[in-house]
Amino acid sequence: GAVVSQHPSRVICKSGTSVKIECRSLDFQATTMFWYRQFPKQSLMLMATSNEGSKATYEQGVEKDKFLINHASLTLSTLTVTSAHPEDSSFYICSATTGQGFADTQYFGPGTRLTVL
Amino acid sequence: GESVGLHLPTLSVQEGDNSIINCAYSNSASDYFIWYKQESGKGPQFIIDIRSNMDKRQGQRVTVLLNKTVKHLSLQIAATQPGDSAVYFCAEKTGGNEKLTFGTGTRLTIIP
Repeated sequence: GAVVSQHPSRVICKSGTSVKIECRSLDFQATTMFWYRQFPKQSLMLMATSNEGSKATYEQGVEKDKFLINHASLTLSTLTVTSAHPEDSSFYICSATTGQGFADTQYFGPGTRLTVL
Repeated sequence: GESVGLHLPTLSVQEGDNSIINCAYSNSASDYFIWYKQESGKGPQFIIDIRSNMDKRQGQRVTVLLNKTVKHLSLQIAATQPGDSAVYFCAEKTGGNEKLTFGTGTRLTIIP
């Protein structure tokens, strides 16, 4: 159980375009989803926390108008990178929790590799 | 600021030997710790967790040790296999905060 999927797994886009990444919890309801960014050979950096039906909470330094997050249902959150630029190229990973308490584990998706030309 | 970090960025171990990956954390309020394994091009995979009221927890071939006095966490992998080659991250949570803070990661390479 506790499977999280992401789509697409890889995307290449031109500079200035927008890209949408989907994160789905396949066998559980995720009250909270998280979006991370990971540059090569670096750790995961939290971008934002998303609760179903409410606005996402962004980490300091993350532009909310550039990284649009929507968590419209208990099984789906989307991250849209607007007006993408080459410096946005990265590995984007989502995770999901059931929100059931202290040791509620985050289950991670397989990641989406974004390359902006 | 608060951080979770690892002592060793890389570690090579002969297949069949045991490995130990270390993690230092600085937030004394952290009360829940998790080890994740990340293979190349994939998302992190949960390995084992431990609460701060414990000092040891065992799983299948893995053991996590927590020393709150020196704010140190370790992951022991017994009888390593080639499939254990990956980057290992420790992560911590504090109280009711859902957010995870990740350490810098250690790349473990199993030598056949």
